[in-house]
Amino acid sequence: AAGVIQSPRHLIKEKRETATLKCYPIPRHDTVYWYQQGPGQDPQFLISFYEKMQSDKGSIPDRFSAQQFSDYHSELNMSSLELGDSALYFCASSLGGEGRPYEQYFGPGTRLTVT
Amino acid sequence: AQSVTQPDIHITVSEGASLELRCNYSYGATPYLFWYVQSPGQGLQLLLKYFSGDTLVQGIKGFEAEFKRSQSSFNLRKPSVHWSDAAEYFCAVARGGSNYKLTFGKGTLLTVNP
Repeated sequence: AAGVIQSPRHLIKEKRETATLKCYPIPRHDTVYWYQQGPGQDPQFLISFYEKMQSDKGSIPDRFSAQQFSDYHSELNMSSLELGDSALYFCASSLGGEGRPYEQYFGPGTRLTVT
Repeated sequence: AQSVTQPDIHITVSEGASLELRCNYSYGATPYLFWYVQSPGQGLQLLLKYFSGDTLVQGIKGFEAEFKRSQSSFNLRKPSVHWSDAAEYFCAVARGGSNYKLTFGKGTLLTVNP
């Protein structure tokens, strides 16, 4: 079965640079969530989108922005990167609306290292 | 705000032994409850979920979990652990209503001895 695809899988950036992470949800899934997992930490919710509209916002820094496109893929844009942004970034997707929005399926993650 | 507590940071069991991982949540109503498993460097795989109904839920890989409202708990169990079960296990809750975001516990690292 098709899963959530994230690219790139690994990314190395320097401080103050910009990074863009991409997420392709499971086909027919219309809801995308972004989570950040620091080293040895639990995943923390950043932001979510349903039908291309932001549906919820968590502890996402102002330096970060995200959007969901017409084909339901999502991009997380991160600017002025800091060392503390080094983490594993997960995207998850679900079928919202009358579907099963609580069943979130996670991608393999993008490991971002800021040097 | 809702919170999830996994009291055990690290558990070691022998292969073939039974397993129980503890999870307690703090929330006024009954939230939606989940267990995820994460192998090193991998993503999170959904093991099982509880929304309502039967309080004993079955999941993949032979796992089950029991929701106990009186104890605000959702403990994960497996009767016989396999070496491939070694991983980190996260309990998570979603508040419900239109609030779908997951709040995770700190995780329990499971080591399986041969």
